[in-house]
Amino acid sequence: DAGVTQSPTHLIKTRGQHVTLRCSPISGHKSVSWYQQVLGQGPQFIFQYYEKEERGRGNFPDRFSARQFPNYSSELNVNALLLGDSALYLCASSLVQGARETQYFGPGTRLLVL
Amino acid sequence: DQQVKQNSPSLSVQEGRISILNCDYTNSMFDYFLWYKKYPAEGPTFLISISSIKDKNEDGRFTVFLNKSAKHLSLHIVPSQPGDSAVYFCAASATNFGNEKLTFGTGTRLTIIP
Repeated sequence: DAGVTQSPTHLIKTRGQHVTLRCSPISGHKSVSWYQQVLGQGPQFIFQYYEKEERGRGNFPDRFSARQFPNYSSELNVNALLLGDSALYLCASSLVQGARETQYFGPGTRLLVL
Repeated sequence: DQQVKQNSPSLSVQEGRISILNCDYTNSMFDYFLWYKKYPAEGPTFLISISSIKDKNEDGRFTVFLNKSAKHLSLHIVPSQPGDSAVYFCAASATNFGNEKLTFGTGTRLTIIP
């Protein structure tokens, strides 16, 4: 069975641009979460979506937004990119919403902002 | 404010010996703890978890110990194998918040010496 997939794998943008990252959860999983991992740090929670509704938001500015589609795939959008947005963006899926549901992570999208 | 701390950025252990990775937390609302393992160019992989109602959970070569009064948990790997070389992240969640937000530590790079 396919795991969590993310696209693209790598991306280079310039300051001020906009970026869209995509995530497909494991088949049957209805919950998707997004995390940002800056070099040398652990992943930081950005959003959680369940059944197409936002169920949690981390401490990120409004430039960050996300949505979940009827097939449970998800997009993370970042507007007005800053150099500090350079990071590995991880998507995780779980079967249902619940803090004790195991989250399965994708390989991530590495974003470089110049 | 780092609510989950892994104070050892790296650890080297001889093959066959015990590896002990440590993690401290400050938020008393955390009641569920997890360990993830991460290889380069891959997303974190779930290893083992523990609820705050327990003080020990074991799965094969992996055992997690929780000391609630000290707000400390540790992961024991025995015997250590070369394939265990990876970055290990400790994560915590507060289940009464109703979402799956995981708060991660900064990671410990474990190197198993053959």
